[in-house]
Formats: sequence, structure tokens, C-alpha cells
Amino acid sequence: GNSVTQMEGPVTLSEEAFLTINCTYTATGYPSLFWYVQYPGEGLQLLLKATKADDKGSNKGFEATYRKETTSFHLEKGSVQVSDSAVYFCALLGNFNKFYFGSGTKLNVKP
Amino acid sequence: DGGITQSPKYLFRKEGQNVTLSCEQNLNHDAMYWYRQDPGQGLRLIYYSQIVNDFQKGDIAEGYSVSREKKESFPLTVTSAQKNPTAFYLCASSRQGRSSGNTIYFGEGSWLTVV
Repeated sequence: GNSVTQMEGPVTLSEEAFLTINCTYTATGYPSLFWYVQYPGEGLQLLLKATKADDKGSNKGFEATYRKETTSFHLEKGSVQVSDSAVYFCALLGNFNKFYFGSGTKLNVKP
Repeated sequence: DGGITQSPKYLFRKEGQNVTLSCEQNLNHDAMYWYRQDPGQGLRLIYYSQIVNDFQKGDIAEGYSVSREKKESFPLTVTSAQKNPTAFYLCASSRQGRSSGNTIYFGEGSWLTVV
């Protein structure tokens, strides 16, 4: 079946530090992969996506590369800001138009 | 602006009451979804609908009901049978099918509290 596993949080970093949030997936076929961000009290916003192996999604300084050989889609940012503090969800689009989400990773960035 | 509108943002329910959360989208999406999120937790799928007049149970459908009479609308009723309804509810929509451009979009959420 389909599933998404992401690293547990919270992740606490100082401003300008390098960020990695790990995400691995299990799926049949070649799913599309996504990262969403959720700010407190709000819905999820699409951050980036990749639709095939070796694709790199990027947005607002965040990047993630679709690695089929390791079934991974790790989120990275070279220099985080306090405003990046949020919860990040990894997701995949499986069969029958069903989306599967990881459990979320909370990021705290301190000044 | 195109998007998904949920209302109300905050709702209080008394014991034994049914309440309905509204979800409207103007993205012309065929598929719509309801998720529940408990504080500090991930998303759990309640119901989803791929087409008008059809819907399927998700992982935690007990105590909830939905209807899909119009493409734009997918209201969720939290019934008195749902014993622990206090949570954040998220409505979402997407195009149909597994095309490479398909993405799920979310509303701003509704907070439901039992008083």
C-alpha cells in the first residue's frame, strides 16, 4: 500500500541554519510527491511538488528532489528564517486520486 | 479569487447536537475531501467525493455524514454520535485522476469545540 514517513519533530534551529526534513515513501508505481506547510490555525499550503523521478521541486528557497532509488523526498533549505516556523507535511498522490500525508514535522526557528 | 471557503471559522457545539460545516470551492474541481486534525497531530481522512452524488468513507467516518449535491459544495455534518468532535476540520479539493499536474488544495479550516 501507500504510505509516507517523515522525521518526528520538533526540529529547532537557529536563524540562518541549514534545514533538512526527511521524508520517505512507499507506493506502487510512480506517485507525485508534495511538501505542504501549515502555519498555526491555518490550512495547508502547497510548498512544492515533483511529479517524476529526479525532478526537483523548489519554492521560497526550499527544495526537494524526487529520489526513486531511495524512495525519498527530503525537504531542504539553505538558510532558515524565523518566519519559516511552521509544520511541514510530506504527501504523495496514489491510486484512485487518494492523497497520503505524513504525520507532520514542526519546525521552530529561533532568532 | 479562486479557492476553497470554509465556514464558520469557529463553531461551538453542545452535547447531543448535530452541526454542519460548510465547504465551497470555485476551482471547478471534481474531487473534494474532509480531514480531521487534532492538536499537534497529522491529518485523518473522514470522507471524500470524486464526483457529484457519490462519496466514500475515509479512515474515521463514524459519527460524520456528508452530501455532494453540487460540484462546488461538500458540507460535513458532525453528528451526536461522534463522541469526541473537538478538532480542527480541513476541507480540500483536487482535480480528478492521477495526472502529473494534480494537486490537492486546502481551505483555511474550521475549529469545532464541544461545550
